Order: sequence, then structure tokens, then C-alpha cells
Amino acid sequence: AQSVTQLDSQVPVFEEAPVELRCNYSSSVSVYLFWYVQYPNQGLQLLLKYLSGSTLVKGINGFEAEFNKSQTSFHLRKPSVHISDTAEYFCAVSLRNAGNMLTFGGGTRLMVKP
Amino acid sequence: GAVVSQHPSRVICKSGTSVKIECRSLDFQATTMFWYRQFPKQSLMLMATSNEGSKATYEQGVEKDKFLINHASLTLSTLTVTSAHPEDSSFYICSAFTNTEAFFGQGTRLTVV
Repeated sequence: AQSVTQLDSQVPVFEEAPVELRCNYSSSVSVYLFWYVQYPNQGLQLLLKYLSGSTLVKGINGFEAEFNKSQTSFHLRKPSVHISDTAEYFCAVSLRNAGNMLTFGGGTRLMVKP
Repeated sequence: GAVVSQHPSRVICKSGTSVKIECRSLDFQATTMFWYRQFPKQSLMLMATSNEGSKATYEQGVEKDKFLINHASLTLSTLTVTSAHPEDSSFYICSAFTNTEAFFGQGTRLTVV
């Protein structure tokens, strides 16, 4: 079975500073990787996804993530955060050969301070 | 892009009553939809997989008689929380896939008083 670990439950950062949200996964088969953002009392919005090809993936709102197969990681980065980036971020995986069910990490609360 | 609409966004009900939550795929057909439950400050936990025209598949520990799922058409899945109790209060989210991307509903905040 696959699993996803988000190492930081909360990440406080000042506005305009860079940020990295860490995600590691475990799976015996190939996976697709995703990052989602959730604002309070809302559903999830896709930030970016890795399916294949280039390991550096660019998403919406200036976010990017790099797939590292040897370290089984898919860390999310943004060079300069805004107050509006304050939200909950979820890393997720789905198995390539087993349908579309997502397994989520525990989430990381990004708190951007002025 | 594809849109999944979930209704209602908030519902307050009395203990012992039943509540129905709808999940619709607005511009695509979804043979499979997923229902998640999210407790405060926690991640999403898959409750069940809703399959159009057949029975839902429930995750271990989820009571199928408590959480009734119906997927009667290619664009609509419903989750009914039967005989709701305060411990059922939670945020419920549905999702549906197109190709390799999941789209999520806006979520339903259920409060049982």
C-alpha cells in the first residue's frame, strides 16, 4: 500500500520569503503525484501534478515542485509568498495502474505573516 | 476546466434525522466518484468509492448502513448520513476524475445538534 508523509504540520513564514513544503511518499509501484490547496471551508484546488517527463513541475500561483525518485520526495516550493497563500496544503499520490483513488498526506498549514 | 458541484455547503440537523449531500459533475461524466471525510485540522480520509449503476465500495471502518451512497447517473452521486449523531459532525468532500486529474466539490459542513 502507498502512503504519504508531510513532515511539517505547520510552516510559519514572513511575506515575500521563500517557502518549501515537504512531502515524501512510499509505494512499491509507480505513482502520480499531486499538490492541492484548501482554503477554509472549501474543497481542494489542484496546484500542480507530476505524471511523467520533466521532474520539475510548475503550477498555479507561482508554485513549483520537484519529483525526486531516489528520495521518494515531491517537495513544493515558492520563491516569494503572499498573505493570500495562507492555507492548508495537501500532497497526494495515486497509483498508475490501480485507478484514480488518491491517498493524502496529513496536510501542512502554511501561515504567511506580514 | 471540469467542475464538481456539491450541495449543500452547510447543513445543521437535529440528532436522529437524516441528511442528504449531493455531488454533481457539471461538464463531464463520472462513472466513479469518491467521498471523503475531514475532521478539523486533519487530512482527508476516504470513506467510500461510488460506482455508477452498482454498489459503493466502503473503506474499512465506515458503516455502509450509516452512510448510504447512491450513484444513479453518470453525473450525480449522493451521500445520505442516516440517523445522524453529533459525532457525525464533520466536513464531507466529494471528488470525481477526468483522465488523471481529480476535481473536488466545495465540501459540506455538517453539524448535528
